[in-house]
Amino acid sequence: GAVVSQHPSRVICKSGTSVKIECRSLDFQATTMFWYRQFPKKSLMLMATSNEGSKATYEQGVEKDKFLINHASLTLSTLTVTSAHPEDSSFYICSNLHGNEQFFGPGTRLTVL
Amino acid sequence: SQQGEEDPQALSIQEGENATMNCSYKTSINNLQWYRQNSGRGLVHLILIRSNEREKHSGRLRVTLDTSKKSSSLLITASRAADTASYFCATRNSGNTPLVFGKGTRLSVIA
Repeated sequence: GAVVSQHPSRVICKSGTSVKIECRSLDFQATTMFWYRQFPKKSLMLMATSNEGSKATYEQGVEKDKFLINHASLTLSTLTVTSAHPEDSSFYICSNLHGNEQFFGPGTRLTVL
Repeated sequence: SQQGEEDPQALSIQEGENATMNCSYKTSINNLQWYRQNSGRGLVHLILIRSNEREKHSGRLRVTLDTSKKSSSLLITASRAADTASYFCATRNSGNTPLVFGKGTRLSVIA
């Protein structure tokens, strides 16, 4: 299957800082990537759909100004959590789409102190 | 939005027993997939079943799909302690829409 990488795998930051998470599609060009969030012992919730060269589409209830998504190239999408707060602590997982198949990155654990 | 609802939310069994997890969904689907996730780790794809399929096998896994009832089940036979994980169903409405995940079942297999 396709390989998706994420960086960093784990980040701890202070409240009020911004954190950028990178998602790379390693073996094919992905015009579409998805970002999910997973709180402890919960399921994955779709946050947004990232489209190369255009604005991301956010799910209801997800603040686009807080979770900035940039998909500037066909192999890289970034999620920036701006002015992070403890309630933003979560596991963030990106995913790309190749044909009808969806491949997931290993996730980034964000802890906001 | 969350589509699938897993049942049970948590399941604890002895090694060697079978584990059955169920998933229900609300809208029409193109396919349904099952994933496994160890605590704090990424997702592992287990099996995909298309809307025109009723049953699929992969090793010790057996998945059924009943589109009339909008439900699916995942059976793990002869469970092992290493099967301890959370299991999620996920549905896709059409070819290029994102997967929507159910709430998951936390399976504990006791040696």
